[in-house]
Amino acid sequence: AQKITQTQPGMFVQEKEAVTLDCTYDTSDPSYGLFWYKQPSSGEMIFLIYQGSYDQQNATEGRYSLNFQKARKSANLVISASQLGDSAMYFCAMRGSGYALNFGKGTSLLVTP
Amino acid sequence: DSGVTQTPKHLITATGQRVTLRCSPRSGDLSVYWYQQSLDQGLQFLIQYYNGEERAKGNILERFSAQQFPDLHSELNLSSLELGDSALYFCASSVPGAPYGYTFGSGTRLTVV
Repeated sequence: AQKITQTQPGMFVQEKEAVTLDCTYDTSDPSYGLFWYKQPSSGEMIFLIYQGSYDQQNATEGRYSLNFQKARKSANLVISASQLGDSAMYFCAMRGSGYALNFGKGTSLLVTP
Repeated sequence: DSGVTQTPKHLITATGQRVTLRCSPRSGDLSVYWYQQSLDQGLQFLIQYYNGEERAKGNILERFSAQQFPDLHSELNLSSLELGDSALYFCASSVPGAPYGYTFGSGTRLTVV
């Protein structure tokens, strides 16, 4: 069975600073994908970044990067130069042998001026 | 607009009633996934359909059922509703074989009173 763990229920960061949101996972699937989604207060799920288990390089998408450490089974999201609009819930998710996503509990990020 | 359309956006109903949530996937996507997001359970995968056939089941209650029609739209039927069924219900669609082709709809917020 797959398990996604996000140990930080809430995080604060000052505007323009970088922040790391933690995610660890457990799976027996040899091939898997890791995702991060943002959910603002309006409720929609916004895809941020994807990392495949066989990808050699860490994924990056603009201000988002994924610090993938396969041996430690961690897939932390790094947001650089935080903006007020980054305040939201952030979910780490995994897709294994099936195609459905398994989500963590989420981390609430608040960006302060 | 993500391309995945969910209706209605909001639904308020009484305990014991039955409701139907509708999802139209993004054009070309054959897979539809249903997820439930509640405060206590987080984001949970309910069921997946692929080109009209049930592909995978998650934590879906027996009171809940779904189907995907020939035009690929999907409906999630929730019956004998309980207060605990109040949640945000998401539909997502994907292209088969795409490593990260998930697109989420904006969700249906169900309130059971």
